[in-house]
Amino acid sequence: AQSVTQLDSHVSVSEGTPVLLRCNYSSSYSPSLFWYVQHPNKGLQLLLKYTSAATLVKGINGFEAEFKKSETSFHLTKPSAHMSDAAEYFCVVSPPSQGGKLIFGQGTELSVKP
Amino acid sequence: DTAVSQTPKYLVTQMGNDKSIKCEQNLGHDTMYWYKQDSKKFLKIMFSYNNKELIINETVPNRFSPKSPDKAHLNLHINSLELGDSAVYFCASSQVAGDPTGELFFGEGSRLTVL
Repeated sequence: AQSVTQLDSHVSVSEGTPVLLRCNYSSSYSPSLFWYVQHPNKGLQLLLKYTSAATLVKGINGFEAEFKKSETSFHLTKPSAHMSDAAEYFCVVSPPSQGGKLIFGQGTELSVKP
Repeated sequence: DTAVSQTPKYLVTQMGNDKSIKCEQNLGHDTMYWYKQDSKKFLKIMFSYNNKELIINETVPNRFSPKSPDKAHLNLHINSLELGDSAVYFCASSQVAGDPTGELFFGEGSRLTVL
């Protein structure tokens, strides 16, 4: 079975400092992995995705993630946090042959202090 | 123009009532979904339709009945509402059915509160 585990339920950083949101996945197959962001009272928006091409994936708003098969990790990073980055972040795996179903991690709430 | 729109955004109702949430997408996508987000923000798929045909039905009580009159619309009807149905329900769409690499486009959610 495929699953994702987000290692931190809440991360707090100061504006201008780096962001690291951790995600480990479990998959029997080569997975498709995503990071989605949810701002308060909004829907989810795709930040970036890994689909077995380059292992370092760049997304919107300066975020990137690195797929590390040996560590089964797909951590999300950003060099410098902005106040507008405060949101809930979801690591997601999409199993093959399951109709495009997404399996979500538990979410990490990112707070950004001035 | 909103790509995936849901109505209503907020819904407060009594236990035992029946309610519906509507969803429309103007992206020309073939596939639409309903996801449920609980109070701990955990998201889980409920249903998926491809061009009006049900393709995913995840162990959801049969009080929940999705209906897709055409590929741009996917409505969710809930009978005999229970306290545990309180959640935020998200509609989403994607371009190609069954594509595990495809992006989902989400609506802003419908917050259902059952009293």
